[in-house]
Amino acid sequence: SQTIHQWPATLVQPVGSPLSLECTVEGTSNPNLYWYRQAAGRGLQLLFYSVGIGQISSEVPQNLSASRPQDRQFILSSKKLLLSDSGFYLCAWYPRRNTEAFFGQGTRLTVV
Amino acid sequence: DAKTTQPTSMDCAEGRAANLPCNHSTISGNEYVYWYRQIHSQGPQYIIHGLKNNETNEMASLIITEDRKSSTLILPHATLRDTAVYYCIVRLYSGNTPLVFGKGTRLSVIA
Repeated sequence: SQTIHQWPATLVQPVGSPLSLECTVEGTSNPNLYWYRQAAGRGLQLLFYSVGIGQISSEVPQNLSASRPQDRQFILSSKKLLLSDSGFYLCAWYPRRNTEAFFGQGTRLTVV
Repeated sequence: DAKTTQPTSMDCAEGRAANLPCNHSTISGNEYVYWYRQIHSQGPQYIIHGLKNNETNEMASLIITEDRKSSTLILPHATLRDTAVYYCIVRLYSGNTPLVFGKGTRLSVIA
């Protein structure tokens, strides 16, 4: 069966520190992968998506970047965190066929 | 930008049917209607999707109007655990098209 792993579950980081969130998928190959962010009391904002290794599409210009070094690995990074980067970060994958998307359990990031 | 319009919030009595409307007047012929829900502090959960025919699964029913400009998600017997934000999304069939979430409807099921 397919599963998606996302870690860590919670993270508290000081302003100006770097960030690395990792997402991996098991049980499938060549998935479409997504990073979303949900600020407190807000909706889900699509940040990045990837249809293959090294292929990253950015939806919103910001202080974050994404990379896909392996087929089933998607990494969200920042060199220097801002207070506004706080939020609930979700990784998702979508099979090539048109069925449901699967979401990770999320990382709650608090920048202090 | 999301292509759907949903009420901000709704209440439903426990055990009654919850009917959540969605307007998607600009939907194109090859776009599907998807419904997801997000329970507090969790990732979204897929509920159902459809193109033009009504659909039913173990969680819900999806009723799409003949002109496809609106749809209704029906939870036949709402429980307290159905309290969540429900998102209606239109999306191309292509697997490369990302899911874009709007603001959704916050459904509160009341005992």
